Amino acid sequence: SQQGEEDPQALSIQEGENATMNCSYKTSINNLQWYRQNSGRGLVHLILIRSNEREKHSGRLRVTLDTSKKSSSLLITASRAADTASYFCATVQVNQGGKLIFGQGTELSVKP
Amino acid sequence: EAQVTQNPRYLITVTGKKLTVTCSQNMNHEYMSWYRQDPGLGLRQIYYSMNVEVTDKGDVPEGYKVSRKEKRNFPLILESPSPNQTSLYFCASSLNIYQPQHFGDGTRLSIL
Repeated sequence: SQQGEEDPQALSIQEGENATMNCSYKTSINNLQWYRQNSGRGLVHLILIRSNEREKHSGRLRVTLDTSKKSSSLLITASRAADTASYFCATVQVNQGGKLIFGQGTELSVKP
Repeated sequence: EAQVTQNPRYLITVTGKKLTVTCSQNMNHEYMSWYRQDPGLGLRQIYYSMNVEVTDKGDVPEGYKVSRKEKRNFPLILESPSPNQTSLYFCASSLNIYQPQHFGDGTRLSIL
């Protein structure tokens, strides 16, 4: 099965609440990246965390990485209706040439 | 404006009729890649190119060809399209494999 498995597959919350999405992977990675996709559009990069980092922040986004558990989480605080989108993690694997492996994504719906 | 441009954006065609989806980037990126996105399967990498004249298979290369004769262009070729290649296709580029990807707006292909 594909690396970068994400859960939940879908998440529905109210505006102002926090949203947490998780990503698991199987092999050693160089870094892990999170992307956002609005319906039918191209993906947009949100944040990158290196394998030697444990936590990273960017505005309302907080990403953690636990390499011992091969997992990462993306937290969006104080969510807004405009955050409604699909969110994907992607891993750059060590010793796999140029392969980039994406998860299946979490579909986030933020209700006003 | 920095961008990845794909053409066409939409195409309906018939089985067996060769087609090419073009991809061009204006950021002088070394790394380029093609993905297909299908419901429930996330994004899967078709082919990637680390540099000019260097291409390699991703996870789902069957039925596709690519070429990288110059840095800015990375066309995706379907020599004999089949209905199972009906999908949403994305081209992406980055400075190198470890950097975030810039995505095009996508090409929706329907093979009848």
